[in-house]
Amino acid sequence: EPEVTQTPSHQVTQMGQEVILRCVPISNHLYFYWYRQILGQKVEFLVSFYNNEISEKSEIFDDQFSVERPDGSNFTLKIRSTKLEDSAMYFCASNLQGAGEKLFFGSGTQLSVL
Amino acid sequence: GDSVTQMEGPVTLSEEAFLTINCTYTATGYPSLFWYVQYPGEGLQLLLKATKADDKGSNKGFEATYRKETTSFHLEKGSVQVSDSAVYFCALTPNTNAGKSTFGDGTTLTVKP
Repeated sequence: EPEVTQTPSHQVTQMGQEVILRCVPISNHLYFYWYRQILGQKVEFLVSFYNNEISEKSEIFDDQFSVERPDGSNFTLKIRSTKLEDSAMYFCASNLQGAGEKLFFGSGTQLSVL
Repeated sequence: GDSVTQMEGPVTLSEEAFLTINCTYTATGYPSLFWYVQYPGEGLQLLLKATKADDKGSNKGFEATYRKETTSFHLEKGSVQVSDSAVYFCALTPNTNAGKSTFGDGTTLTVKP
């Protein structure tokens, strides 16, 4: 069965550094998402992306965050200047039809900001 | 805005016990409802879903029925196994363009032999 893949599985960075989290969504999917899960807390929506632009973003997704689909297969989340509170598991997800459809999640990138 | 409220955990059961995890939601319109499961050290996987009122989603012995009148989507399983130990998340996705999902807090289930 096709999968969403994320790299790296773990990322450790110093506060203030830039990080790029990488995702390869399922190849025929058209909608892409980033979610995050701070340890012990709920899964939170960050951003959705369709047709090469952001379709919706949460209040968490401030100017420090950006997303990009640099080619036909990758979907990246960049955090420009990391803060301690950015430490979380970041999940990429994709689906074909967007609204009302299940999400296919990657296995996540655990980001630790020191 | 949309919200999902899940029964607080953790839940500890003996093998073969009956499981219920309650989930209620608040949303405009008629969202699709999902249960996702997260096994230790893994990402989220879809367990089951229902897209309209009175639909029943089922998978691996788990069931949940979309109840519009009570805005609920409770997860049940008649006989749990040790391998069912995981965190269970109730979620809704609006049937609008954005496709953004809202998740509950998650309920940790531990099944003991």
